[in-house]
Amino acid sequence: DIVMTQSPDSLAVSLGERATINCKSSQSVLNSSKNKNYLAWYQQRAGQAPKVLIYWASTRESGVPDRFSGSGSGTDFTLTISSLQAEDVAVYYCQQYFRTPWTFGQGTKVEI
Amino acid sequence: QLQLQESGPGLVKPSETLSLTCTVSGGSMSTTNYYWGWIRQSPGKGLEWIGSIYYSGSTYYNPSLESRVTISVDTSKSQFSLRLTSVTAADTGVYRCAGHAREQTVVPGWFAPWGQGTLVIVSS
Repeated sequence: DIVMTQSPDSLAVSLGERATINCKSSQSVLNSSKNKNYLAWYQQRAGQAPKVLIYWASTRESGVPDRFSGSGSGTDFTLTISSLQAEDVAVYYCQQYFRTPWTFGQGTKVEI
Repeated sequence: QLQLQESGPGLVKPSETLSLTCTVSGGSMSTTNYYWGWIRQSPGKGLEWIGSIYYSGSTYYNPSLESRVTISVDTSKSQFSLRLTSVTAADTGVYRCAGHAREQTVVPGWFAPWGQGTLVIVSS
C-alpha cells in the first residue's frame, strides 16, 4: 500500500496568515507518461463530510476559493491556504489515487 | 447537483453482517464519470477506503477487507449497497458513500461528492 504521511498533525494560524500543510507519499504518485500526479486534497469541517478541494495535485475543484492551492510532484506535496479565514478551520487530508488501495493521510487540523 | 445519502442500522452485533445502502439523487448512476464508493472513518484508522463499484457492476475492493466485503449496485433504484460480514468492534465507525470521480483515467480517482455518513457501532 502507498502510505500517505502528513505534517504537521495540527497547526494554529492567525486570521489572514498563510497555512501550509505537507503530504508525503511512500512512493511516487506521478504518472510520467501523462505528467500527472494522482493526488487530491480534502477539507473536513467539524461534523461534516470531507469535501474535495484539489485534484491532480494542483487543480482546484469548481467553487473552491482561490486562496487554496496545491503544489508538488512525485512524493512531496503541499496544500497552501494563502490567507486563512475563519471558515477554513477544519481537518485537511491528502489522498493518492495512483494505485489501489486508495489511501489517505492521517489528517492535519488547522485552527485559528 | 449530485447528492448521496446513506441508510441502514446504526447498531450491529459482533460476528453479524453490516448492511448499508446509498441512494444517489440529482443525476444518473449510469454514467462513465463515476464509480461509486464506500469509505469509513474511525478515530483509530482515520479515513479508510472500503471499495467502489461501477454502474456495470465492476468492482474494486480494499484487499484488507476484500474477504468480508460485497458491494452491489441497482441502477433502477439509484442505489448501491455495502455488505460487511463477520464484524468486530474494529469495524465501528462512520460509513460514508461517495461518488468516485473518473476523469482522464480508466480507474477512478478522487471522491466527490460525499454523503453525510452514518455511524455504525458494533456491540452486543
